[in-house]
Amino acid sequence: NAGVMQNPRHLVRRRGQEARLRCSPMKGHSHVYWYRQLPEEGLKFMVYLQKENIIDESGMPKERFSAEFPKEGPSILRIQQVVRGDSAAYFCASSPGGPNTIYFGEGSWLTVV
Amino acid sequence: GENVEQHPSTLSVQEGDSAVIKCTYSDSASNYFPWYKQELGKRPQLIIDIRSNVGEKKDQRIAVTLNKTAKHFSLHITETQPEDSAVYFCAASNQGGGADGLTFGKGTHLIIQP
Repeated sequence: NAGVMQNPRHLVRRRGQEARLRCSPMKGHSHVYWYRQLPEEGLKFMVYLQKENIIDESGMPKERFSAEFPKEGPSILRIQQVVRGDSAAYFCASSPGGPNTIYFGEGSWLTVV
Repeated sequence: GENVEQHPSTLSVQEGDSAVIKCTYSDSASNYFPWYKQELGKRPQLIIDIRSNVGEKKDQRIAVTLNKTAKHFSLHITETQPEDSAVYFCAASNQGGGADGLTFGKGTHLIIQP
């Protein structure tokens, strides 16, 4: 089992560009979660998705951020018109659903210059 | 919603001594409490978890205790080793383990002094 796979691991974007972060859950997992971690801070929940559905997006900024988990392919977190404050580590996690532990990917480090 | 407070933010102990990290939570419906260890530049990794139907759980040098009445839970690491140096996060969930409802503390930076 390859675990939760995220790419790219590191991404540099200029202000105003778009960032796309991808996450493939562990085999057998249909629930995907995105968290953001700012330097020296904890993990902030952003969004929870199941295949083709957004279940909870209460942690997502209202503008510029969107997420999807299509029927085929990885989950994608999209940040439009990036700003310096978007620089952070973005972690994806997955679970099979229900009362089970979540497992994190290695993270995608976004730097906005 | 749930609020998880974690203390201390930094903890320095001598190698071989014990380390204790404490967390409190606000939602009395929370029933699942995992602990994650994150090394610099790496992903958070689950090290131990406890559910609300037990008061203590142990795995080798690591133990977690839960006091539901007081709404606090603690991580205990005995005989600390250099490889225990990392940031530790507690979390609480009222969904029995799925991340829907998983709220994290701000983390404790544990430093093991040789």
